[in-house]
Amino acid sequence: DAGITQSPRHKVTETGTPVTLRCHQTENHRYMYWYRQDPGHGLRLIHYSYGVKDTDKGEVSDGYSVSRSKTEDFLLTLESATSSQTSVYFCAISESEDYGAGELFFGEGSRLTVL
Amino acid sequence: GQNIDQPTEMTATEGAIVQINCTYQTSGFNGLFWYQQHAGEAPTFLSYNVLDGLEEKGRFSSFLSRSKGYSYLLLKELQMKDSASYLCAVSGSSASKIIFGSGTRLSIRP
Repeated sequence: DAGITQSPRHKVTETGTPVTLRCHQTENHRYMYWYRQDPGHGLRLIHYSYGVKDTDKGEVSDGYSVSRSKTEDFLLTLESATSSQTSVYFCAISESEDYGAGELFFGEGSRLTVL
Repeated sequence: GQNIDQPTEMTATEGAIVQINCTYQTSGFNGLFWYQQHAGEAPTFLSYNVLDGLEEKGRFSSFLSRSKGYSYLLLKELQMKDSASYLCAVSGSSASKIIFGSGTRLSIRP
């Protein structure tokens, strides 16, 4: 058990409202990731982090921001949600401490619906 | 940039063998992963290849050819529970940046 918790697990919101998804890990691993998954697109990387306050963009970062002020928490924020951001969001961690990341362990996902 | 291609859907028969291919184009290479994802669930790790050749793990094997930008996942003695999506993922020049293909949905028929 990699000890990953995502919250909220389900959220319905309206266009233009801010939304924050939280990923919490219990074991202080260095690498954390946010992906979104949509039919026909597989998993797409939004942002990832390789340490406190160290983050980088992924493939689909427009419209999203992240913060990592503590090792255990990685927050994904949609400043002004749009219907195109309706998706299932997965957080993942890597237990590798070497350069680069190894096997990913995923949270259970957060289903976001933007009306 | 990175590009990862795999077939969208495949069908196979219980007890048989199936091979799921993945081709990739990346700037740099630090490893290739395979994940399994059942409908409505999170992906789970199956295998990791960083050197050329075959890695065997029970009924599942994964092969890598770095010069060809090619990998496959081989599933033997298929069971109904193997019906799932199989995701190929690559770590490129930025080793910690892991990109996924669109996944292959595998259906097993009795």
